[in-house]
Amino acid sequence: DGGITQSPKYLFRKEGQNVTLSCEQNLNHDAMYWYRQDPGQGLRLIYYSQIVNDFQKGDIAEGYSVSREKKESFPLTVTSAQKNPTAFYLCASSIDGGTSSYNEQFFGPGTRLTVL
Amino acid sequence: AQRVTQPEKLLSVFKGAPVELKCNYSYSGSPELFWYVQYSRQRLQLLLRHISRESIKGFTADLNKGETSFHLKKPFAQEEDSAMYYCALSGYSGAGSYQLTFGKGTKLSVIP
Repeated sequence: DGGITQSPKYLFRKEGQNVTLSCEQNLNHDAMYWYRQDPGQGLRLIYYSQIVNDFQKGDIAEGYSVSREKKESFPLTVTSAQKNPTAFYLCASSIDGGTSSYNEQFFGPGTRLTVL
Repeated sequence: AQRVTQPEKLLSVFKGAPVELKCNYSYSGSPELFWYVQYSRQRLQLLLRHISRESIKGFTADLNKGETSFHLKKPFAQEEDSAMYYCALSGYSGAGSYQLTFGKGTKLSVIP
């Protein structure tokens, strides 16, 4: 199914290497989000973007970077500065730039990153 | 600061038994609350939102501002209800935007 796609599904990297996770959406949504999901921790917001060429840090942005050059794309780079990068990463989007509290977020299938 | 607490990591019930997944929140303003669900091998998806006051798949949730709770309930559990459930709160985060804060989740296991 379409909507939001994340690639790859599984990703392995050596410690010290940067890695970029892809997130694409064809829903014409303005806002996009990156979450990290760890067992027993729920979802924690890394970065979000309300509009192209603009993004804000979430609760756990340290060691991550993002870009939003196109409306449909919001890649996340996990840098070597991230101390515990092994996790399940979820991308989401919502219809507008977060200016309404009622916005449903639509999620991608996720990428499981393992740093060896 | 906004916070969502789901006190139970795991909840096991027998098929046909009532289900109640607990959610408490902390927020200074008027909250908007949601329940999201993640079935095995499926994406996280919205189950219901309090503003809609609707029943989805037999589940309901009532916002109790006095107790700052938004518990999810179903009178008779089905095996297909087994999933991970997340309570979430949408709160104002400044600069005209809202941020969704999730609880840590409760895994519901329905025993046949």
